[in-house]
Amino acid sequence: QKEVEQNSGPLSVPEGAIASLNCTYSDRVSQSFFWYRQYSGKSPELIMSIYSNGDKEDGRFTAQLNKASQYVSLLIRDSQPSDSATYLCAVMPVYDKVIFGPGTSLSVIP
Amino acid sequence: ETGVTQSPTHLIKTRGQQVTLRCSSQSGHNTVSWYQQALGQGPQFIFQYYREEENGRGNFPPRFSGLQFPNYSSELNVNALELDDSALYLCASQVQGTQYFGPGTRLTVL
Repeated sequence: QKEVEQNSGPLSVPEGAIASLNCTYSDRVSQSFFWYRQYSGKSPELIMSIYSNGDKEDGRFTAQLNKASQYVSLLIRDSQPSDSATYLCAVMPVYDKVIFGPGTSLSVIP
Repeated sequence: ETGVTQSPTHLIKTRGQQVTLRCSSQSGHNTVSWYQQALGQGPQFIFQYYREEENGRGNFPPRFSGLQFPNYSSELNVNALELDDSALYLCASQVQGTQYFGPGTRLTVL
């Protein structure tokens, strides 16, 4: 089993819709979770970090964490064409290492 | 703007050669991590340095080595380059458990 898995893409949503990105992880001791956005040819850019069970909202983005289910998700409300990118889920099981998922490609159709 | 810079932006080498990639972080950022990102995949952890000492390593062979200097710069050295080493190499400065990435170096091995 891969350490961090994400829903396979590409994911296409119409402009204005909600995009839902999912991630599961295998290491139960993980305490820190991150979502990064990566545009083609660019480096990853931090969107959200979440550490406690529940929801965390930042503008149009909401991260959800369920440690019992080893599941973390990212919701993007009112999706815009500029949200089209690859979204990387990252998990920090120990302080000195971050494990990334393979990424989910999102395309927002005008 | 993450305050992390990398050089060069692009690099072309031939199989068997050696390469040195450079990264510079902001003053006071004592932890730097290096990642390899192959096309279509998530970043893979190579190693991390904290105050000039290696502080964790991923599943990469010894021909991948690094250095961190007192001026918050660091290097990734790769010996005996192989075709599969072609990738985007990312340096990340870690601040309070969160990784902030530089723009990356695109290495092509022919």
